[in-house]
Amino acid sequence: EVQLVETGGALIQPGGSLRLSCAVSGFTVSSSYMSWVRQAPGRGLEWVSVLYAGGYTYYADSVKGRFTISRDNSKNTLYLQMNSLRAEDTALYFCARDVVEAVAATSIGFQHWGQGTLVTVSS
Amino acid sequence: SYELTQPPSLSVSPGQTARITCSADALPKLYAYWYQQKPGQAPVLIIYKDTERPSGIPERFSGSSSGTTVTLTISGVQAEDEADYYCQSSDSSGAYSFGGGTKLTVL
Repeated sequence: EVQLVETGGALIQPGGSLRLSCAVSGFTVSSSYMSWVRQAPGRGLEWVSVLYAGGYTYYADSVKGRFTISRDNSKNTLYLQMNSLRAEDTALYFCARDVVEAVAATSIGFQHWGQGTLVTVSS
Repeated sequence: SYELTQPPSLSVSPGQTARITCSADALPKLYAYWYQQKPGQAPVLIIYKDTERPSGIPERFSGSSSGTTVTLTISGVQAEDEADYYCQSSDSSGAYSFGGGTKLTVL
């Protein structure tokens, strides 16, 4: 059974740092396309970052230079290091797996999601 | 990056057909994906690659594409379909985008 469990959310002051974790079971993080997606209270989904199986990373402009996505293959865990946090980073953070068709290497969508971990940036 | 534009809300009566659109100039060259999100829950994929439906998703959900617009159609809307719906795409730069979401109300 596929499971994604996010942890690490907290109340943090502006300018602070936080590391989120996404522990995965049922598939291998190292061979997957893994993203962080966030949702501010009462707002829509916002894609934050992706870590491709090959190691390439991409970020939304809103977090570029402040957030870093990484993984620990031995722990089958995805991370999001968040620095210089701002009030506008307050959101529920989901990790999600973009499943890719093996032959065509085409995405068939974010088929697996965690339940999210809440980050609140406030003084 | 590019912006995916959705109507913020749509209201339909039970049994009617709901059509939710998502527009972007880049869509003719990209696949679109649709997610349903109910309050307090994670999103659920309901359409991928414009028109494909994952196993377990009811047949009343369908997707189509025409030019710069993709459409999610829910035929014979049921009360349980009341939710937020998001389109999503990704381009060759490696980045992903979500539409702003459409809140579907079943009257």
